[in-house]
Amino acid sequence: DVKVTQSSRYLVKRTGEKVFLECVQDMDHENMFWYRQDPGLGLRLIYFSYDVKMKEKGDIPEGYSVSREKKERFSLILESASTNQTSMYLCASSAPTVTLGEQYFGPGTRLTVT
Amino acid sequence: AQSVSQHNHHVILSEAASLELGCNYSYGGTVNLFWYVQYPGQHLQLLLKYFSGDPLVKGIKGFEAEFIKSKFSFNLRKPSVQWSDTAEYFCAVTPYSSASKIIFGSGTRLSIRP
Repeated sequence: DVKVTQSSRYLVKRTGEKVFLECVQDMDHENMFWYRQDPGLGLRLIYFSYDVKMKEKGDIPEGYSVSREKKERFSLILESASTNQTSMYLCASSAPTVTLGEQYFGPGTRLTVT
Repeated sequence: AQSVSQHNHHVILSEAASLELGCNYSYGGTVNLFWYVQYPGQHLQLLLKYFSGDPLVKGIKGFEAEFIKSKFSFNLRKPSVQWSDTAEYFCAVTPYSSASKIIFGSGTRLSIRP
């Protein structure tokens, strides 16, 4: 059974803190993604990575950075958390073929910034 | 700009009613099309997908979707819904030639009255 895991289901941080969200997949997928999910806005792509140490900006990269040092792990970093980054964060992975859109998602991390 | 529109934000049905959720996209080239579902408290998962061939595709749990190229639509259908279909449904589009453009709609929340 394929699996994408995220380090925390719920996280509460203070404004200005540095926040790390971790994602691990066990499917040997080349592609990994970070989204944020907000009511009425659907899923918005923050960053994605198509290989170790490779990354590309998505639609809303401002205020975020990512790290991919190993194929199975993709980290999202909030350098200085702000209240407008309170959201549900979803990690996903996929194989690097034409089936790119067929993604496998983690359970999500609900981040609250106070 | 490319986009995916889900016009119904919240749909409420009684059990055994028929379901159709609309999805329209704006992209002139060849696309791959997906419907994802998120049950309460669960992670997002693939419901069905269209890559090529028969425009009527069948997915899990009795769902189906029809790709109508001339209308840029990929509507989701189920002849008789169950209470367990209560979930949020997301339409997604990937341009065939692009590895980086995965566009999700804003989602439709489906509530089924028992």
